[in-house]
Amino acid sequence: DSGVTQTPKHLITATGQRVTLRCSPRSGDLSVYWYQQSLDQGLQFLIQYYNGEERAKGNILERFSAQQFPDLHSELNLSSLELGDSALYFCASSVDGTEEIQYFGPGTRLLVL
Amino acid sequence: GENVEQHPSTLSVQEGDSAVIKCTYSDSASNYFPWYKQELGKGPQLIIDIRSNVGEKKDQRIAVTLNKTAKHFSLHITETQPEDSAVYFCAAFSNTGNQFYFGTGTSLTVIP
Repeated sequence: DSGVTQTPKHLITATGQRVTLRCSPRSGDLSVYWYQQSLDQGLQFLIQYYNGEERAKGNILERFSAQQFPDLHSELNLSSLELGDSALYFCASSVDGTEEIQYFGPGTRLLVL
Repeated sequence: GENVEQHPSTLSVQEGDSAVIKCTYSDSASNYFPWYKQELGKGPQLIIDIRSNVGEKKDQRIAVTLNKTAKHFSLHITETQPEDSAVYFCAAFSNTGNQFYFGTGTSLTVIP
């Protein structure tokens, strides 16, 4: 158990809908990362937050957004969902968001029908 | 930005044999290289890491080597066991992009 929690574990929705994925980092970690893992691809970095502020942005679509709240939990919002958005979404946390060890959560499996 | 390539994509070995997975990176500013193991239905778990000021690091049956000049690093697993079967990812942290870049993964199968 990494100490990072993600909810929900599974999510099934329809195209065009909007969903919110939630992540709670390990106790003491200030930085949260979001990744997308599709069937044939590795981990694609989406976005990183540090202590409530956006720190780095990867291949995140404009239909996706995220935020980190004062209690350090983070939410990833996916809107106007398409079939191709079906994937595993992982959250990871680290102490300060630099070249430090990342701890991954168990992921949320999103299926868009 | 950084580009991390990982080979092979699949690897099958007999139990007890060694397994080697190789990664190359492009950004000379990358300075931290973790390896993750992902079992079915779970999130990636860090198994070993190496920083750019070190050439080799070992932890029991697992070792990682880094060649900064050639920009490649490798994961070595000795005396493989069936429970080593999983997908392994390499990653590089680039100070240029201030983020981690991951390889595409290697599916390792250890045959009993």
